[in-house]
Amino acid sequence: EPEVTQTPSHQVTQMGQEVILRCVPISNHLYFYWYRQILGQKVEFLVSFYNNEISEKSEIFDDQFSVERPDGSNFTLKIRSTKLEDSAMYFCASSVGLTQRDTQYFGPGTRLTVL
Amino acid sequence: AQRVTQPEKLLSVFKGAPVELKCNYSYSGSPELFWYVQYSRQRLQLLLRHISRESIKGFTADLNKGETSFHLKKPFAQEEDSAMYYCALRVDSNYQLIWGAGTKLIIKP
Repeated sequence: EPEVTQTPSHQVTQMGQEVILRCVPISNHLYFYWYRQILGQKVEFLVSFYNNEISEKSEIFDDQFSVERPDGSNFTLKIRSTKLEDSAMYFCASSVGLTQRDTQYFGPGTRLTVL
Repeated sequence: AQRVTQPEKLLSVFKGAPVELKCNYSYSGSPELFWYVQYSRQRLQLLLRHISRESIKGFTADLNKGETSFHLKKPFAQEEDSAMYYCALRVDSNYQLIWGAGTKLIIKP
């Protein structure tokens, strides 16, 4: 069964550094998402992406964040200048469509640790 | 604002006992509700959604609009049900899922 994949599984970085988190959505899916979960807190929506543009973004997704689908298979989340509070588990998800029957399938997550 | 509340952080029951994981939501329109499960060292995966009205792994959940609830139930818990369970809400066909804090379910042998 096809799965969403994410790399790396764990990323450690220094505050102020740029990080790129990578995701490969399921191949026939058209909608892509990033969520994050700070340790001990709720899963939070960051952004959704469709047809090569952002469809929806949350207040968390400020100018420090960007997303891209550089090559038709990868879907990346870039954090330009990481802060300590960016430390979290970042989940990528994808779905075929937006109807009630279209499930969001999640990747295993990337644990980002900002020192 | 839309919100999902899962009042229990941890629920521990014996194998064979009934299980009910509570989920309440706040939204005045027509919600789409989901239960996701995360087994140890595995990814988040959809367990069931209210529109399907199906039973998955013995679990059912009924949307009660009057009580704004979507509780997850199973009559006889099994040890393999031990996992983290998240209730999630989607509104107005927006893209995002709004999540509850999750309930850790432990099934004791």
